[in-house]
Amino acid sequence: DGGITQSPKYLFRKEGQNVTLSCEQNLNHDAMYWYRQDPGQGLRLIYYSQIVNDFQKGDIAEGYSVSREKKESFPLTVTSAQKNPTAFYLCASSIQGLAGGRLYFGPGTRLTVT
Amino acid sequence: GQQLNQSPQSMFIQEGEDVSMNCTSSSIFNTWLWYKQDPGEGPVLLIALYKAGELTSNGRLTAQFGITRKDSFLNISASIPSDVGIYFCAGQGLGNEKLTFGTGTRLTIIP
Repeated sequence: DGGITQSPKYLFRKEGQNVTLSCEQNLNHDAMYWYRQDPGQGLRLIYYSQIVNDFQKGDIAEGYSVSREKKESFPLTVTSAQKNPTAFYLCASSIQGLAGGRLYFGPGTRLTVT
Repeated sequence: GQQLNQSPQSMFIQEGEDVSMNCTSSSIFNTWLWYKQDPGEGPVLLIALYKAGELTSNGRLTAQFGITRKDSFLNISASIPSDVGIYFCAGQGLGNEKLTFGTGTRLTIIP
């Protein structure tokens, strides 16, 4: 079955540690995205990538970094510079970058930093 | 930047009731999308709208792209327990820029 995989489902880290969230897709989609979700708020875009080896900052990129070395993979690193990293992180992909708006989401990773 | 106001924030209804929710934007959108998110999962696309005035159905769900292009509506008829979740609207403006998401409507069905 085609889809988006995010692992792990739950992640716990100590403050000051960097942590990398995995996102893999086998939909052959060109574009991939990372969103952050906090209670009572809409989804906020962290980073997006329309093609391999290229990515752009979203609305809340500070304290995060990404790479896009392969079409099917778009890992997100939450660095110690992120002031409030505890959140639900969603990875998504689309056939074309931004056009048409049809995003397919993964199941999410809930990150808790203490 | 663009802002989306989604209302109501939450709804408590009985099984079998119809549901209505809406989104309004401060600017014109070319595309409106409605997503549903089950607890602890990623959102799933329900309906996509691409033309002002368009009315599209997906089973018991019906969504409309407002004539002004600044709003959209989602209706659910004869609600059932599996309709529980958070419904998000999302809009994409002119020039195919990134999606803007609403803050969500949390639907709860009272037994």
